[in-house]
Amino acid sequence: DIQMTQSPSFLSAFVGDRVTITCRASQSITTFLHWYQQKPGRAPQLLIYSASSLQTGAPSRFSGSGSGTHFTLTISSLQPEDFATYYCQQSYNTPLTFGQGTKVEIK
Amino acid sequence: QVTLKESGPALVKPTQTLTLTCTFSGFSLSTSGMRVSWIRQPPGKALEWLARVDWDDDKFYSTSLKTRLSISKDTSENQVVLTMTNMDPVDTATYYCARSRSAGGGNLDYWGQGILVTVS
Repeated sequence: DIQMTQSPSFLSAFVGDRVTITCRASQSITTFLHWYQQKPGRAPQLLIYSASSLQTGAPSRFSGSGSGTHFTLTISSLQPEDFATYYCQQSYNTPLTFGQGTKVEIK
Repeated sequence: QVTLKESGPALVKPTQTLTLTCTFSGFSLSTSGMRVSWIRQPPGKALEWLARVDWDDDKFYSTSLKTRLSISKDTSENQVVLTMTNMDPVDTATYYCARSRSAGGGNLDYWGQGILVTVS
């Protein structure tokens, strides 16, 4: 199985801050990497697909980059509604695997 | 408009078999490239992918749970069924179904609202 490791597991930031979350794969997954946002009590929502493509409806302050084994999710200016948990997921092969999540909280 | 909804028991006893149904609309699992997965999330923990069935009836399972899982589709009813045998309290979780497409790179673009299953 491909292991996905996110860092940090938790981050505290101010509204307006630039935030970066990292996801590493245990082997190359080219760009089969996707990012999800999950708010408490809600299902995850797709934010970024194929490493860098913004899902329809997702705010443009979200961006993704990377390929191979190293990926990043960046929020250019953190907004109050962005406080949530973020997960990366690989679809290079089955079984699909997720990172352990990064919880973003208000400082 | 794509929608998915999970249904099944909210409470199961240890050693019982769990059967969950995902009923969807807005797409067909007979369309080439369509896929439906099951994912679960224990309270306060991370997402865990469980299984997937594809349009061509290919099936894929979590390595650690494959001996306990079975997934099937009913294309005419627009449903996907997941069974998990020998339930244990550690299987307490919210269970989600989600759609993906091979053409979309395999991302899970639509999710159901989830169903909380407690094993006790």
